[in-house]
Amino acid sequence: DAGVIQSPRHEVTEMGQEVTLRCKPISGHDYLFWYRQTMMRGLELLIYFNNNVPIDDSGMPEDRFSAKMPNASFSTLKIQPSEPRDSAVYFCASSLMPLEVNEQFFGPGTRLTVL
Amino acid sequence: AQSVTQLDSHVSVSEGTPVLLRCNYSSSYSPSLFWYVQHPNKGLQLLLKYTSAATLVKGINGFEAEFKKSETSFHLTKPSAHMSDAAEYFCVVSGNEKLTFGTGTRLTIIP
Repeated sequence: DAGVIQSPRHEVTEMGQEVTLRCKPISGHDYLFWYRQTMMRGLELLIYFNNNVPIDDSGMPEDRFSAKMPNASFSTLKIQPSEPRDSAVYFCASSLMPLEVNEQFFGPGTRLTVL
Repeated sequence: AQSVTQLDSHVSVSEGTPVLLRCNYSSSYSPSLFWYVQHPNKGLQLLLKYTSAATLVKGINGFEAEFKKSETSFHLTKPSAHMSDAAEYFCVVSGNEKLTFGTGTRLTIIP
């Protein structure tokens, strides 16, 4: 298996533009997570899905952020409109059930820069 | 409710000396506990996990951790540090479909 795949690896955009980050989890994994990592805030869980259904989105910072998982092999995280403070590395991870005992496999991350 | 506290934000050790990264947790459930490592510009990778079996857990790259329920601790150790161990380390507690990450400990290895 290729592991968790994220695209793009790097994204540079201007304030106000829409940004879409993509993730393909490991085949057969039931959970998918989106994280954001910054120097100031460290690693933050934004949202996670179980069997394509959003379970906990309490970490999503505001309405400008949205995430979808239309099928078991694909998820998107969208920021519209983007702001400079959204600059961060965004990680996607996936895991098997049950969540409590299984490790998460992380993708390589997308480094987002909003100018 | 659950929480995890990594007691040191930064640890520096000399190459060849022991490593100790401290983690305390609180949980209303019987938790599972994990340590992840993040090398620069990489995603997180599992080092080891505790899931209510043996309290002393061995992981990759010579790391191990001991679950101590009485002290609510899950400290990470390695007998002899290597330059390649320089990274950020995260302690994670898991229970009742909820994951909580620590704030991370940056490990620096002095040649």
